[in-house]
Amino acid sequence: EPEVTQTPSHQVTQMGQEVILRCVPISNHLYFYWYRQILGQKVEFLVSFYNNEISEKSEIFDDQFSVERPDGSNFTLKIRSTKLEDSAMYFCASRISETYEQYFGPGTRLTVT
Amino acid sequence: KNQVEQSPQSLIILEGKNCTLQCNYTVSPFSNLRWYKQDTGRGPVSLTIMTFSENTKSNGRYTATLDADTKQSSLHITASQLSDSASYICVVSDLKTDKLIFGTGTRLQVFP
Repeated sequence: EPEVTQTPSHQVTQMGQEVILRCVPISNHLYFYWYRQILGQKVEFLVSFYNNEISEKSEIFDDQFSVERPDGSNFTLKIRSTKLEDSAMYFCASRISETYEQYFGPGTRLTVT
Repeated sequence: KNQVEQSPQSLIILEGKNCTLQCNYTVSPFSNLRWYKQDTGRGPVSLTIMTFSENTKSNGRYTATLDADTKQSSLHITASQLSDSASYICVVSDLKTDKLIFGTGTRLQVFP
């Protein structure tokens, strides 16, 4: 069964460094999402992406964040200058259309030291 | 503000027993309500999804109910198994923005 994959599974970085989290959505899906979950807290929406542009973003998704679909398969989340409070699990999700279910990847645990 | 609240925060039951998890939401209008299972360190996996007009949906031993008038949902797990130990998250889709609004989850532990 096709699934969303994410790499790396765990990323450790120093405060102020740039990180890129990678996702490979399910191949025929058209809508892509990033969420984050700070340890012990609920999952929070970051951004949605469709037709090569951002369709929605939350207040969390400030100028330090950017998303890109550099080719036909990858979907990336970049954090330009990481802060301690960016430490969280980051989940990518995709779906085929607006009326279908979102499928989540296994997540990338980002630790900022 | 759109919110999704769940209770209890955590629950411990013995294998083979049934349990019911609760969800209350203020999201309005909403397009659908979902229940997800999230194993520790993993992404959420969908269990059920219900639209405004549905009031019950089953998936094996999982049965979700929805009362759109009182803005409440429940997830009933029958004959629990050790593998049911996980967080169960209620998620409501905002009709206007299409954003998913997550509850804080109920942490279920099933012991032998």
